[in-house]
Amino acid sequence: DQQVKQNSPSLSVQEGRISILNCDYTNSMFDYFLWYKKYPAEGPTFLISISSIKDKNEDGRFTVFLNKSAKHLSLHIVPSQPGDSAVYFCAASLGNQFYFGTGTSLTVIP
Amino acid sequence: DTGVSQDPRHKITKRGQNVTFRCDPISEHNRLYWYRQTLGQGPEFLTYFQNEAQLEKSRLLSDRFSAERPKGSFSTLEIQRTEQGDSAMYLCASSFTGLRSRGPFEQFFGPGTRLTVL
Repeated sequence: DQQVKQNSPSLSVQEGRISILNCDYTNSMFDYFLWYKKYPAEGPTFLISISSIKDKNEDGRFTVFLNKSAKHLSLHIVPSQPGDSAVYFCAASLGNQFYFGTGTSLTVIP
Repeated sequence: DTGVSQDPRHKITKRGQNVTFRCDPISEHNRLYWYRQTLGQGPEFLTYFQNEAQLEKSRLLSDRFSAERPKGSFSTLEIQRTEQGDSAMYLCASSFTGLRSRGPFEQFFGPGTRLTVL
């Protein structure tokens, strides 16, 4: 059973515009949510996290929003840059176990 | 500090053989995780160590899989009697709990070991 879902396999955005990546989850007991970026032939790289008791966390160009009632989180990248082109995974933790979505491939068009 | 390393990067084996993978985490990291990733999927949690203690195991982890982390440093993941369904990328990640981390459970991933079972 997929407890963390990313329903958009791909997204294309013009350079300088906002990229919004979405993630849905089913388990209300998840305590932290994280976003990772992955380039080909490399392991995922941590981007940003948010506690389940918060609704927003910002780090530079990256902002994560959490809507607990909808069991939904999103990652906003503003402004988008060509170097942001990668696969983005959302993940959720329950204790020390982590559950990842299937990823969204972001392409930023120069 | 060169990050998390994994060895080998690629492994091709015949069904029924045993394989062992090694992960060297970042030196001060006390937490170590193993994941499996198949094509089109996200990483799937397998197991977690805090120092040398294996504290979590996925219920999906069959008894053909065993992991160790002697002395709380490097870790090994062994798969016995491999099956074609074991073909995947095996990822190792490490993290530490401390003031310098950017967030709880910020995991640093290695490049992975790609296993192909023929």
